Amino acid sequence: EPEVTQTPSHQVTQMGQEVILRCVPISNHLYFYWYRQILGQKVEFLVSFYNNEISEKSEIFDDQFSVERPDGSNFTLKIRSTKLEDSAMYFCASREAGTGGVQETQYFGPGTRLLVL
Amino acid sequence: DQQVKQNSPSLSVQEGRISILNCDYTNSMFDYFLWYKKYPAEGPTFLISISSIKDKNEDGRFTVFLNKSAKHLSLHIVPSQPGDSAVYFCAAVYGGSQGNLIFGKGTKLSVKP
Repeated sequence: EPEVTQTPSHQVTQMGQEVILRCVPISNHLYFYWYRQILGQKVEFLVSFYNNEISEKSEIFDDQFSVERPDGSNFTLKIRSTKLEDSAMYFCASREAGTGGVQETQYFGPGTRLLVL
Repeated sequence: DQQVKQNSPSLSVQEGRISILNCDYTNSMFDYFLWYKKYPAEGPTFLISISSIKDKNEDGRFTVFLNKSAKHLSLHIVPSQPGDSAVYFCAAVYGGSQGNLIFGKGTKLSVKP
């Protein structure tokens, strides 16, 4: 069964450093998402990406964050200068295009645990 | 501001009995609702969904009920199994959005043998 994969599974970095989190969405999916979950809190939407551009982003997704689809398979989240409060589990998700107004299910990757020291 | 609320942080149920997980929402613009299950150190796994034009959807042991007037949905698991022990998240989608999920805080279900 196809699945969303994410690398690395864990990343430890120093405050102020840049990190790139990688995701390979399911191959026929067209919508891509990043979410994060700070320990003990709920899963929060960061950004959605469709047709090679950001379609929506939350207030969390400030200028320190960027996303890219550098080739036909990878989808990346870059944090330019990490802060302590960026420590969280980051999840990538993807879905097919909806038809006739029906929402298609989002499938999540296993996550990358980011720890900023 | 919590647009999707799961007011019970935990629930304990005996194997074979029914588990009922509840979710309330505040925004009437939500038109699609999903339940996800999450094990520690894994990503959320899709369980079942329901469109706002329906009031019930069933898939095997899982049934989701939607009461739009009360802005309430519930997930019923019958019969509950020890393998169902996990955190269950309710999520909602705005009509016309790109499908961004708004999650509740989750309910930890423990099914005891």
